[in-house]
Amino acid sequence: EAGVVQSPRYKIIEKKQPVAFWCNPISGHNTLYWYRQNLGQGPELLIRYENEEAVDDSQLPKDRFSAERLKGVDSTLKIQPAELGDSAVYLCASSSSGRGYNEQFFGPGTRLTVL
Amino acid sequence: DQQVKQNSPSLSVQEGRISILNCDYTNSMFDYFLWYKKYPAEGPTFLISISSIKDKNEDGRFTVFLNKSAKHLSLHIVPSQPGDSAVYFCAAGSQGNLIFGKGTKLSVKP
Repeated sequence: EAGVVQSPRYKIIEKKQPVAFWCNPISGHNTLYWYRQNLGQGPELLIRYENEEAVDDSQLPKDRFSAERLKGVDSTLKIQPAELGDSAVYLCASSSSGRGYNEQFFGPGTRLTVL
Repeated sequence: DQQVKQNSPSLSVQEGRISILNCDYTNSMFDYFLWYKKYPAEGPTFLISISSIKDKNEDGRFTVFLNKSAKHLSLHIVPSQPGDSAVYFCAAGSQGNLIFGKGTKLSVKP
């Protein structure tokens, strides 16, 4: 079974430029998460989808971040414009259900460096 | 304010000995807890979990203990192996979302 796929793996941009990250979850997983992990910290949730619906985006900085999950499968996370403080690893995870306990499976992440 | 705390940034143990990683939480509404292991340049991988209605769960060399009254959980690895060297994250869950600690870097020396 293929795991969570993310691309690109690494991205270097200058501040004020836009950037987008793509995620393909495990087949059949209807719940998808985007996390941000800063250096020396644990992952922090940005947004959670149940199928196409964003059910928790309370931690997403909506002035510059946006996300979409068309057709309830792949998802894209965008930052526009990027700031120096956005440098981090962006992780995508999926699970078979968002309700109750279900382990989340993580992708390898995209390491973003903003210069 | 951190809801999930891993107060030890690093831990070093000898191969074959026991590794004990600790985690404290503040929110009594968490109803399940998980441990993830992370190697460099990879995403976290699930290791073991425990429901809030249990106080122990064991899977091979890994055992998680939960003390609800103290809001504390621990991960025991016995015996420790060099391949266990990684960053371990404690996570607490409620209503589908996970809150992660900052992680503890475990080094197992041959």
